[in-house]
Amino acid sequence: DQQVKQNSPSLSVQEGRISILNCDYTNSMFDYFLWYKKYPAEGPTFLISISSIKDKNEDGRFTVFLNKSAKHLSLHIVPSQPGDSAVYFCAASEIRFGNQFYFGTGTSLTVIP
Amino acid sequence: DSGVTQTPKHLITATGQRVTLRCSPRSGDLSVYWYQQSLDQGLQFLIQYYNGEERAKGNILERFSAQQFPDLHSELNLSSLELGDSALYFCASSTRLVGTEAFFGQGTRLTVV
Repeated sequence: DQQVKQNSPSLSVQEGRISILNCDYTNSMFDYFLWYKKYPAEGPTFLISISSIKDKNEDGRFTVFLNKSAKHLSLHIVPSQPGDSAVYFCAASEIRFGNQFYFGTGTSLTVIP
Repeated sequence: DSGVTQTPKHLITATGQRVTLRCSPRSGDLSVYWYQQSLDQGLQFLIQYYNGEERAKGNILERFSAQQFPDLHSELNLSSLELGDSALYFCASSTRLVGTEAFFGQGTRLTVV
């Protein structure tokens, strides 16, 4: 039962353009959301998070948008750089049950120079 | 470098055996998590400890157990190993109990033959 879904296994973007990664979830009780980046042979690296009381959070080139009514999360990377090429995972948790993250299956982003 | 240290990095063992994976959290982090990443399941939450106490439990098999010691390091014990237990096992840590990002180690790759 996959509660967090990333329906695009891969995405290719030109350097300098915007990358938009999408994530959908089914559990309306999720109230904390995160994005992680992962390189091969490394652990996931935290990028950005958002609480359900907000609909947008920005950190440098990374912006996360949350649409609670649609149960949809997106990560915008502007401008995209070749070093951004990695697998991106979204994750969600229900705070009342601790910090248990439900991860999506990941989207592999390739930024073409 | 996330500051989370996992040992060993690689482990090869036979079916039916028992292994122990070790994790040292970031300095000051009280919460430790264990995740399993297998090819067909993605990143799956196993268990969370906070300051020595179990705080959240995922789909962790009965053959698996974990603990967090007074010095805050954690161990994940896997027994009666089966071929299907072959996976990457990640440890993560965080400062707070809930509503916060977790920082992941580089993982232990377990191969059961």
